[in-house]
Amino acid sequence: AQSVSQHNHHVILSEAASLELGCNYSYGGTVNLFWYVQYPGQHLQLLLKYFSGDPLVKGIKGFEAEFIKSKFSFNLRKPSVQWSDTAEYFCAAKSTGRRALTFGSGTRLQVQP
Amino acid sequence: ETGVTQTPRHLVMGMTNKKSLKCEQHLGHNAMYWYKQSAKKPLELMFVYSLEERVENNSVPSRFSPECPNSSHLFLHLHTLQPEDSALYLCASSQELASQETQYFGPGTRLLVL
Repeated sequence: AQSVSQHNHHVILSEAASLELGCNYSYGGTVNLFWYVQYPGQHLQLLLKYFSGDPLVKGIKGFEAEFIKSKFSFNLRKPSVQWSDTAEYFCAAKSTGRRALTFGSGTRLQVQP
Repeated sequence: ETGVTQTPRHLVMGMTNKKSLKCEQHLGHNAMYWYKQSAKKPLELMFVYSLEERVENNSVPSRFSPECPNSSHLFLHLHTLQPEDSALYLCASSQELASQETQYFGPGTRLLVL
């Protein structure tokens, strides 16, 4: 069965700390990968996505993610977090040709000023 | 900010009530989705509509009834719900068969069933 795992459920960082959120997927074949963010009281917003090509993907607000096929991973990174990055982060995956997005359980990031 | 709108944003209903959730997308997409987001659980896909036809129904109880009258509007009709149906219901849309098909989400309807 297709699944997406996010290892960290709750992460607390100080401002300017570096961030890495883990995401692993179990899919056969070609996979499309996404990171979404949900700020408090707001809707899910797309941070970045990977379809093919350069495995290092840059997204909005200084976020990036690296697709490592051999590790079935798509970890999210940011060199220096800000208080405004406090939110819940969701990794999602979709097999090419399928409609369904499978989401991880989310990681709640709390950035302390 | 979002091209996908949902109404109402909050809804409280009793188990015997009938209500409907509405979703509208302004992105010109041809596919629409209903997801359920419960506390401490991953988002669960409920229904998919492509070109106004239901193409996926992920074992959702019949007390949830979707309707897609056109490519811009999607409804979720609710009747005789249970307290465990309390959750955030999210609508999304995408352009199927686009080279980098991506789903865009609405703000959700937070539903409380008493």
